[in-house]
Amino acid sequence: ETGVTQTPRHLVMGMTNKKSLKCEQHLGHNAMYWYKQSAKKPLELMFVYNFKEQTENNSVPSRFSPECPNSSHLFLHLHTLQPEDSALYLCASSSETGFSSPLHFGNGTRLTVT
Amino acid sequence: AQTVTQSQPEMSVQEAETVTLSCTYDTSESDYYLFWYKQPPSRQMILVIRQEAYKQQNATENRFSVNFQKAAKSFSLKISDSQLGDAAMYFCAYRSGDSGAGSYQLTFGKGTKLSVIP
Repeated sequence: ETGVTQTPRHLVMGMTNKKSLKCEQHLGHNAMYWYKQSAKKPLELMFVYNFKEQTENNSVPSRFSPECPNSSHLFLHLHTLQPEDSALYLCASSSETGFSSPLHFGNGTRLTVT
Repeated sequence: AQTVTQSQPEMSVQEAETVTLSCTYDTSESDYYLFWYKQPPSRQMILVIRQEAYKQQNATENRFSVNFQKAAKSFSLKISDSQLGDAAMYFCAYRSGDSGAGSYQLTFGKGTKLSVIP
């Protein structure tokens, strides 16, 4: 049973749709992350939230809009996506203290943009 | 910017044998952390082992150990007595020890797909 839960597990959406990905962590962590995993490419960090405040935005297009209402929940709102946005989107969390603290990942949402 | 290179896209190992996965990284920092993550077909990334750069002793976790060569910027993972459940993608990752901007970022390599042959 993972401490980080992501829904939905799979999502197919058209380029004009609006959808949201949800992430919830039950580990008492204060930092949450969105990563994009594409085939044959390293994981790409998209956003970082620490104590609900966004601390990093890695030059992500505005068609991706994150939301962190509290330290346990993280959303990624999607609108007017492109086919190249099809990928596995991974949510992770970590303790705010200590840079050696590892990330705990969810199972990801497999997104297909048609 | 830091980069992480995993030069072996795919590896295979016979069950019960030992395999070593390679990872090199490029950084100008002296304080940092290194990690190996495993991603099985379930897609969840699981931490395998971690190493603090200031520690000279190589980290070990049961059948998993690392060979950390700081001067060579090398961080290889050795899996002993390989089991079928070890089959997965393995990712090497780097994290800065600098408390400034970007300090939460993990930089990943492209991964090595490990197959275990019964």
